[in-house]
Amino acid sequence: QVQLVQSGAEVKKPGASVKVSCKASGYTFTSYAMHWVRQAPGQRLEWMGWINAGNGNTKYSQKFQGRVTITRDTSASTAYMELSSLRSEDTAVYYCARGPLLWFGELIMSYFDYWGQGTLVTVSS
Amino acid sequence: EIVLTQSPGTLSLSPGERATLSCRASQSVSSSYLAWYQQKPGQAPRLLIYGASSRATGIPDRFSGSGSGTDFTLTISRLEPEDFAVYYCQQYGSSPPLGDTFGQGTKLEIK
Repeated sequence: QVQLVQSGAEVKKPGASVKVSCKASGYTFTSYAMHWVRQAPGQRLEWMGWINAGNGNTKYSQKFQGRVTITRDTSASTAYMELSSLRSEDTAVYYCARGPLLWFGELIMSYFDYWGQGTLVTVSS
Repeated sequence: EIVLTQSPGTLSLSPGERATLSCRASQSVSSSYLAWYQQKPGQAPRLLIYGASSRATGIPDRFSGSGSGTDFTLTISRLEPEDFAVYYCQQYGSSPPLGDTFGQGTKLEIK
């Protein structure tokens, strides 16, 4: 069965960086995209970016461009999301979510069929 | 940019009743690239519907999706106790996403 298992909760100071991992199992890792979605307390879900796990190409939300980096290690079937220059507003639960590779001339946004359990990142001085 | 607006914000119903949730987009969603998710407190979202009307694997047939263009609906035919949760719609199909990816959610609560 498909499983996405994320790393544990983090507490960071403003200005620091955080790196969250997402280990995939139960499917061919390189045949899908991995997305990162966050949810601040009481807020809607917010898409941050994706990586094509097959070729490593990435796409980021304009809101996070320059602060977020998504990478993957195919040998470990693991994706990573690093967010830098943290501020208090970045306090949220961060999810990885698998998405099928949808093509329309180029890779386009998909839906998310499996999700990790979430990682709480708290930014506080 | 696409803005997704869900209504109502909160829906109060009893088990056994029918629930109708709405998701309206400010511009047409291409190829009915719209999905619905259910989220319970402390849990990750779960995919219910994709392509506006296709049920995801393992989703009971009391959940159905319909609509096209700018107006989409999630219907739960007979509410079970486990269906009370928050529901989000998501538009997809662009690169990168244009505007809102997710709606603000509808909370379905027990009356």
